Amino acid sequence: KAGVTQTPRYLIKTRGQQVTLSCSPISGHRSVSWYQQTPGQGLQFLFEYFSETQRNKGNFPGRFSGRQFSNSRSEMNVSTLELGDSALYLCASSPWYSDNTEAFFGQGTRLTVV
Amino acid sequence: DAKTTQPNSMESNEEEPVHLPCNHSTISGTDYIHWYRQLPSQGPEYVIHGLTSNVNNRMASLAIAEDRKSSTLILHRATLRDAAVYYCILRDLRGSQGNLIFGKGTKLSVKP
Repeated sequence: KAGVTQTPRYLIKTRGQQVTLSCSPISGHRSVSWYQQTPGQGLQFLFEYFSETQRNKGNFPGRFSGRQFSNSRSEMNVSTLELGDSALYLCASSPWYSDNTEAFFGQGTRLTVV
Repeated sequence: DAKTTQPNSMESNEEEPVHLPCNHSTISGTDYIHWYRQLPSQGPEYVIHGLTSNVNNRMASLAIAEDRKSSTLILHRATLRDAAVYYCILRDLRGSQGNLIFGKGTKLSVKP
């Protein structure tokens, strides 16, 4: 069974641009979460989607948005990029929306904003 | 959000058992205790989770105190591959937001 796939793996963008990151969950998984990891703040929750609906949202500005498609694939978008958005963005999938299940993480997308 | 407290770092010798502690004194009755680990340059990896009873799987054991205010992740025989940052997390979808709230974790070093 293929794991969580995130594309691209690496990305370099210029301040002010926008970026879209993609996440393909494990086949059959319907819940997808996104996290941002930086050396200073550690792992921080961005949002979680289940059945195409956003279920939870972390404390990030509106420049960060996401969506989930009917095949459970998810994208996150960051507009008007700032230098501080440089981070590793991680996607995790779970079979369903539950606190009694494990999350499977992808390798992440390393975003560098210059 | 319920918080967890873990030591910043721990050291272990290869092939010896490792006990990683976690304090969660404000845990609610419906919080699940999850453990994840993150190896260098990789995404976090699920280790184990439980609610009240001790749990075992192929990777580790989870010992939960009777009052649930603390738990211990037990690696029975540490290998070099177990060197990672271990995160103890509480999750309750009926509580705050239900997402995995990662703290600083414990960085485990394994000496050959």
